[in-house]
Amino acid sequence: GAVVSQHPSWVICKSGTSVKIECRSLDFQATTMFWYRQFPKQSLMLMATSNEGSKATYEQGVEKDKFLINHASLTLSTLTVTSAHPEDSSFYICSASRTGPSSYNSPLHFGNGTRLTVT
Amino acid sequence: GENVEQHPSTLSVQEGDSAVIKCTYSDSASNYFPWYKQELGKRPQLIIDIRSNVGEKKDQRIAVTLNKTAKHFSLHITETQPEDSAVYFCAASLPMNYGGSQGNLIFGKGTKLSVKP
Repeated sequence: GAVVSQHPSWVICKSGTSVKIECRSLDFQATTMFWYRQFPKQSLMLMATSNEGSKATYEQGVEKDKFLINHASLTLSTLTVTSAHPEDSSFYICSASRTGPSSYNSPLHFGNGTRLTVT
Repeated sequence: GENVEQHPSTLSVQEGDSAVIKCTYSDSASNYFPWYKQELGKRPQLIIDIRSNVGEKKDQRIAVTLNKTAKHFSLHITETQPEDSAVYFCAASLPMNYGGSQGNLIFGKGTKLSVKP
């Protein structure tokens, strides 16, 4: 079945540094991937839609210069949290679904998430 | 844009009883409604989903109903067990333009289900 791999699973970084999170679709192509953020005891909030070969689409209130998204291939999207601050500490989850002629009714598959702690 | 409301925020039931979680959505163009179960510190796990051309779907103890006219859908868990305890999220998705695969999911705020033995 379709699998989405996300790395790292957890990371601790110092305030002011940058952190890169990778999201890979392992056995399918994904023209579009989605990045979510989840604070403790809260729901998943869509941050941005990552589009292969073009600029990401950010949700209102999400700073595109702070959360850099690069979707360089049909199987890889990266999210870089730049100049991280303690308030960026959260659980970041990517998701993707199969795209292409055989993709109808394909559900979204989530990565395992990345727990970011900024000290 | 799409807005999803979910109720209740917490639900406590006795083992063996049924649990019902309800969600409403705002955009009538939404056509895909999955339900996720999330255990603490883990990614959401898809437990059941329904598309707008179907009114009800059942998988063993879990069922989902969809009322397109009223724009609401519900999760029903029968014969609850302690291992059903988790946070459940409903979501709604507009169709993608390309390939028919799903667009971004908009999630409800979640329901913390506790099943007491």
